[in-house]
Amino acid sequence: NAGVTQTPKFQVLKTGQSMTLQCAQDMNHNSMYWYRQDPGMGLRLIYYSASEGTTDKGEVPNGYNVSRLNKREFSLRLESAAPSQTSVYFCASSVLAGNEQFFGPGTRLTVL
Amino acid sequence: AQSVTQPDIHITVSEGASLELRCNYSYGATPYLFWYVQSPGQGLQLLLKYFSGDTLVQGIKGFEAEFKRSQSSFNLRKPSVHWSDAAEYFCAVGAFSNAGNMLTFGGGTRLMVKP
Repeated sequence: NAGVTQTPKFQVLKTGQSMTLQCAQDMNHNSMYWYRQDPGMGLRLIYYSASEGTTDKGEVPNGYNVSRLNKREFSLRLESAAPSQTSVYFCASSVLAGNEQFFGPGTRLTVL
Repeated sequence: AQSVTQPDIHITVSEGASLELRCNYSYGATPYLFWYVQSPGQGLQLLLKYFSGDTLVQGIKGFEAEFKRSQSSFNLRKPSVHWSDAAEYFCAVGAFSNAGNMLTFGGGTRLMVKP
């Protein structure tokens, strides 16, 4: 099992450009999450999907959109990137509520 | 809303010394608590978790943590640190509902190990 995979690993964008971060899990988990990690701030939840067909906002959703494509895949889209979105983005998944989350390796995004 | 505080941003210990990383949480109900470790350039790996029962929980890599409700703490300990333990450690508290489990993370503690 690959667990949680993310693409790309690194990305550099110019202000105003758009891009989609991809995430997939092969553990048959129901719930998936997108976090951003900034120095000294831990991880902050951007969006989550409790189950296929549902998505909800987390703590810092502004400037992002998500799509739960199917049970395996959960993508994060930046429509018009801003320097404030420079961060490391992590995708995670969990079986159900009450279970631990499993994390992907992250995407390091720089917006110039 | 729940919150997590990790008071120590950086900690340096000598190899072979004992380690305690502090974590304090705020949550209105019985918390679900986690410790994760992140090696440089890597994702987060679960070290241990507390849901209920015995307040002293054992994890991987020789780590343990103790839940103290009266102190709202969930400190991580290891009796003898190895150089490979150098990493960043995150404490998290879970709030769970039918919508899924939401984790709130502390700011992290970076551990350095001196030879």
